[in-house]
Amino acid sequence: GAGVSQSPRYKVAKRGQDVALRCDPISGHVSLFWYQQALGQGPEFLTYFQNEAQLDKSGLPSDRFFAERPEGSVSTLKIQRTQQEDSAVYLCASSFGGRKEKLFFGSGTQLSVL
Amino acid sequence: SQQGEEDPQALSIQEGENATMNCSYKTSINNLQWYRQNSGRGLVHLILIRSNEREKHSGRLRVTLDTSKKSSSLLITASRAADTASYFCATVFGNEKLTFGTGTRLTIIP
Repeated sequence: GAGVSQSPRYKVAKRGQDVALRCDPISGHVSLFWYQQALGQGPEFLTYFQNEAQLDKSGLPSDRFFAERPEGSVSTLKIQRTQQEDSAVYLCASSFGGRKEKLFFGSGTQLSVL
Repeated sequence: SQQGEEDPQALSIQEGENATMNCSYKTSINNLQWYRQNSGRGLVHLILIRSNEREKHSGRLRVTLDTSKKSSSLLITASRAADTASYFCATVFGNEKLTFGTGTRLTIIP
């Protein structure tokens, strides 16, 4: 596709469940980012990949959060044992160059933990 | 944590008027970017201004940067209903990631 694609668009999970969020970046984009956006707030950085290498995971809030990009294209953000405070919109973005360049965002996955 | 802070938090203007939003940040930067987010959607990149630039234009958008005051402004001229959205500034310093501000919610009244 022409843009960044994220799935699912909406996810409802029971507290304690594991979830997996998928991101398909723009073809050829080297850099991939995950952000978390709480209601009424700006996006908060979670993690950054350059190709398949995870170069920065300083924003992951706990060891329940795990991200991978094994072949340097599609990425998955996994949250284990979800908790209510994990409820947010998870945004994926990609860029052709490094982390200083403009980002192309997907529409996000809205996660609700009940 | 949020690096930038937009002002005002919310702004309502009549269609056709100009809208000005401000962004203040805390550290020296490599570049500053403005993004728009429509309700329930992802962010769309508007303009990137580098630390050695003072002003940049794109269509009805004008961005200024004052590094001595650590601030930037986004001006939207001749506003339209379709400009209703949240606007975020985002900064990059050194080799760090792009960090977003808290956003300005702009409402254009037809």
